[in-house]
Amino acid sequence: GESVGLHLPTLSVQEGDNSIINCAYSNSASDYFIWYKQESGKGPQFIIDIRSNMDKRQGQRVTVLLNKTVKHLSLQIAATQPGDSAVYFCAEISSGGSYIPTFGRGTSLIVHP
Amino acid sequence: DGGITQSPKYLFRKEGQNVTLSCEQNLNHDAMYWYRQDPGQGLRLIYYSQIVNDFQKGDIAEGYSVSREKKESFPLTVTSAQKNPTAFYLCASSTERYSYNEQFFGPGTRLTVL
Repeated sequence: GESVGLHLPTLSVQEGDNSIINCAYSNSASDYFIWYKQESGKGPQFIIDIRSNMDKRQGQRVTVLLNKTVKHLSLQIAATQPGDSAVYFCAEISSGGSYIPTFGRGTSLIVHP
Repeated sequence: DGGITQSPKYLFRKEGQNVTLSCEQNLNHDAMYWYRQDPGQGLRLIYYSQIVNDFQKGDIAEGYSVSREKKESFPLTVTSAQKNPTAFYLCASSTERYSYNEQFFGPGTRLTVL
């Protein structure tokens, strides 16, 4: 049978719904967090970032929430569109890690028209 | 247009051959990175360079080599010692070394070993 490891966590939504993608990070010393979007066969693109001295940051149709107590990051996408279908990665960066980002495994977002 | 380019987009290699993947940026970024991506997986760091003529091993450097002779170029060689080289390879750059900033990614090279 297929390996479970080949399949990303998947979020399936209807066009127009709000989407929430979650990320648990590992390093309590991480200072900076980034969300990336990766469309099939392409490189990741920056969506939004947040520093550890903030708990919320808003962009155009996107909001990132940071809960340092439980080491959790979320990306909220308002009024999700078919063009939002992609894999979404979170990345954490700490000064102790030479500022090299550590990437999460990713979540696949599928938006149905 | 400023950006980061990778070539070729698709690459086929016979077992036992070395192959070099190109990565060029005209963003005047100091730092450059190579990642490997396998299906259903996150990005794994192969090598990175924070400044010209210096580079460091990442988490999965075995079977790979790099050079950073010019600021704008960071080629990756996949050697015959890499036992499972079929993957999607991503190059990235960022503005400054040792600072908090986003990475800009190239379009990727898909390497297949025949």
